[in-house]
Amino acid sequence: GAVVSQHPSRVICKSGTSVKIECRSLDFQATTMFWYRQFPKQSLMLMATSNEGSKATYEQGVEKDKFLINHASLTLSTLTVTSAHPEDSSFYICSARGPSGGALDTQYFGPGTRLTVL
Amino acid sequence: SQQGEEDPQALSIQEGENATMNCSYKTSINNLQWYRQNSGRGLVHLILIRSNEREKHSGRLRVTLDTSKKSSSLLITASRAADTASYFCATDGGYNKLIFGAGTRLAVHP
Repeated sequence: GAVVSQHPSRVICKSGTSVKIECRSLDFQATTMFWYRQFPKQSLMLMATSNEGSKATYEQGVEKDKFLINHASLTLSTLTVTSAHPEDSSFYICSARGPSGGALDTQYFGPGTRLTVL
Repeated sequence: SQQGEEDPQALSIQEGENATMNCSYKTSINNLQWYRQNSGRGLVHLILIRSNEREKHSGRLRVTLDTSKKSSSLLITASRAADTASYFCATDGGYNKLIFGAGTRLAVHP
């Protein structure tokens, strides 16, 4: 099946630094990827839709200058948390639409990245 | 924003018992999907049911959909300790986006 990877799986950083998280589709091309954040014991909240070769579409309330998304190739999207603060600590998960296209496709999820900002 | 609610929020059962989780949503949908998440991990797709379907089976999983009540249920039969996880329903939010429910945390005790 379609595999999505994320790197790193876990990162601890100091307040004020920037952190980059990579999301890769390993065996298929993904023109669209999605970024979610998840707080402990809560559901996934969609942050933005990442489109290859164009600007990301952010959900209401998500600061695009805070969470920079770059989808430079058909297999890679990156999320950069700029000037991270402790409240940005969360579990970040990416997903990619399946390779066959169409509105009914399932999404394939990466294993997530645990960000802790000290 | 979340599409709807799931209940129960937490469910604790013994191995061999059946587990039923419910999901309600607010808007019209084209399909509804169920995902599973082990603690601290990504999501695994379990099953997709389309709006014109009422019931779907996959192994020990049975999903029902009632579009008139805007609700769905996931039944896991003969549960195993390995079924311990969080289960989320998700509906299509347009533009291929998924909108997730609040989730049910299932604990299956040996």
